[in-house]
Amino acid sequence: EIVLTQSPGTLSLSPGERATLSCRASQNVTKNYLVWYQQKPGQAPRLLIYGASSRATGIPDRFSGTGSGTDFTLIINRLEPEDFALYFCHQHGASPRTFGQGTKVE
Amino acid sequence: QITLKESGPTLVKPTQTLTLTCTFSGFSLPTSGVGVGWIRQPPGKALEWLALIYWDDDKVYSPALKSRVTLTRDTSKNQVVLTMTNMDPVDTGTYFCAHTVIWKGYFDYWGQGTLVTVSS
Repeated sequence: EIVLTQSPGTLSLSPGERATLSCRASQNVTKNYLVWYQQKPGQAPRLLIYGASSRATGIPDRFSGTGSGTDFTLIINRLEPEDFALYFCHQHGASPRTFGQGTKVE
Repeated sequence: QITLKESGPTLVKPTQTLTLTCTFSGFSLPTSGVGVGWIRQPPGKALEWLALIYWDDDKVYSPALKSRVTLTRDTSKNQVVLTMTNMDPVDTGTYFCAHTVIWKGYFDYWGQGTLVTVSS
């Protein structure tokens, strides 16, 4: 199975700063079937990015995704207070689907 | 508006069978391409995909749990039921259901999850 490794585990930043989150896959992710989710305590995960770089409906343009193959990045420009949360990547191109362990932005 | 909600016991004993229900609205499971999946998250650990059921009743299971997990659906009630046998303390975690469409592949809408603790 494809193992997704996210780094760093925790990112300590202030509002207005830029967050750069990494997701590295143990094998090529087919057709860039890589998505990013945001999760807050007690809430449903929220889809941010699909296809490695396409923003989901209603997602602010301060969120952007890049990468291909085995290396993917989520960038959050100008952090807003509501952006402090857990972020995780997910590949759905190979079975079994797998998730990264998450990066907490605090 | 698509919503999903998980329900079921919060505490099960080791060796027991867990039954969780995902009740959804805003879509119909028999609609071509639609799927509902289950994902879990042990405390402090990564998410783990468990299983997926599609509009045509095709089911896909995680190889790691295939022998213990079964999905069924009740289209009249807009529900998908997850059954997991022989529960163990390591199965403790939050269980989520989520919506997908086959040509997207990813889960686009998730429920809030339900915490299941396995303990005697």
